[in-house]
Amino acid sequence: EPEVTQTPSHQVTQMGQEVILRCVPISNHLYFYWYRQILGQKVEFLVSFYNNEISEKSEIFDDQFSVERPDGSNFTLKIRSTKLEDSAMYFCASQSLPGQGRYEQYFGPGTRLTVT
Amino acid sequence: GESVGLHLPTLSVQEGDNSIINCAYSNSASDYFIWYKQESGKGPQFIIDIRSNMDKRQGQRVTVLLNKTVKHLSLQIAATQPGDSAVYFCAEISNTNAGKSTFGDGTTLTVKP
Repeated sequence: EPEVTQTPSHQVTQMGQEVILRCVPISNHLYFYWYRQILGQKVEFLVSFYNNEISEKSEIFDDQFSVERPDGSNFTLKIRSTKLEDSAMYFCASQSLPGQGRYEQYFGPGTRLTVT
Repeated sequence: GESVGLHLPTLSVQEGDNSIINCAYSNSASDYFIWYKQESGKGPQFIIDIRSNMDKRQGQRVTVLLNKTVKHLSLQIAATQPGDSAVYFCAEISNTNAGKSTFGDGTTLTVKP
C-alpha cells in the first residue's frame, strides 16, 4: 500500500538555526499539507499546497515558515530561525483529488523537532 | 473562530465491549467531518467520514453519528479490541478545495484485556 514518508524521524536543532523537514507524498496525489502536534496536544493545521502554490495557511505559518515542492516528488517545510516553541511533531499529509466531496488525507509518520 | 472538541480526554473499556467517543463542534456551517485514529508514534489515520447531509454512516465495526441540532458527533466502535487502543480525534474539514482538517483535542481509548 502506498504511504507518505518523512525524514528525518527526529531532528534536534539549536534555537535560531534553520531546519528543513522533508516529505515524500503518495505519487499520484495533488494536495499536500503540513500539520504540527505539540506533545500532548491536538494536531494543528499549518499549510496546504496545491498546483505549486499555497492554498491556505494558518496563523502559525508566519514568515519564518516556507514550503516547497522542488522536484515533483519531495515536499519540504523550512523553518528559517527556529524558536523553542517550534518543538513539536510535524506531520506531512497528501490527498488525491476530492472524490464525491470526500477528503481522505494520508498522513506520514511525522518528524519530531526538538529545539534546544 | 471555529473549534472542535471532545467531551472526555480518556476512555477505558473492556475488550469486547462497545466504545463510544464523543465530539462537539462549534461551527454550524461545518459540512464534513472525519474521525482519525492515532497510534503511538504514528500519524493520524483516517477511520470514517460523514457529510452534514447525513446523520449516520457505518463502516467495518465503526459507526459515526452526527446530530447537527446540538452540533455533536460520535464514533461508536463495536466489539472493541486491544488494537483499537489509540488516541481518537474528530476533525472538521473546511469546505474549500484545500480541505484542511481542524482537529479536536483527542480521546485516549484504552482497551483492557
